[in-house]
Amino acid sequence: QKEVEQNSGPLSVPEGAIASLNCTYSDRVSQSFFWYRQYSGKSPELIMSIYSNGDKEDGRFTAQLNKASQYVSLLIRDSQPSDSATYLCAPRGGSYIPTFGRGTSLIVHP
Amino acid sequence: DADVTQTPRNRITKTGKRIMLECSQTKGHDRMYWYRQDPGLGLRLIYYSFDVKDINKGEISDGYSVSRQAQAKFSLSLESAIPNQTALYFCATSDGSPQETQYFGPGTRLLVL
Repeated sequence: QKEVEQNSGPLSVPEGAIASLNCTYSDRVSQSFFWYRQYSGKSPELIMSIYSNGDKEDGRFTAQLNKASQYVSLLIRDSQPSDSATYLCAPRGGSYIPTFGRGTSLIVHP
Repeated sequence: DADVTQTPRNRITKTGKRIMLECSQTKGHDRMYWYRQDPGLGLRLIYYSFDVKDINKGEISDGYSVSRQAQAKFSLSLESAIPNQTALYFCATSDGSPQETQYFGPGTRLLVL
């Protein structure tokens, strides 16, 4: 079983809708969780980080963490075509190095 | 100017050739990383370095070597390139703080014929 699982997608949502991206991880000692966005042919960039159980909101983005279930998610409200990208989940566990999932491709269509 | 730079940005080489990919950073970070990305496989860690004297293998280090010449420079070498090393290679840095963010370079697209 891979350490970090994400649905590869593509996840297709209409403009203005909520996009929900999910991630499960196997390393129970993970304490820090990161979401990176990667546009096609570009490098990943951090968009959200979360360290405590519950929700963390930043603009249109909300990260949700449930350590007991080893589950982290990213919600994008009012999705825009410019949100179309691959989203990478990256928990950081005992090795202190983020482990990246394979990413979920999101397509927001007008 | 970009904080993390990679050279070259694109490279075509032949099987058996030795090549070097270079990474430089101006962020003052101690930690540097090399990843490769293949379609459908995400980012996989090749090597990482927590300071100039510290070099560690990642999950896919076979066929690769690295050199940390200075805090700001971390090079990746393919001693004898093979076609399955064709990929997009990223260098990244981080500051090692609990909330550390990784900052990625623009990537090097490598094609091994």
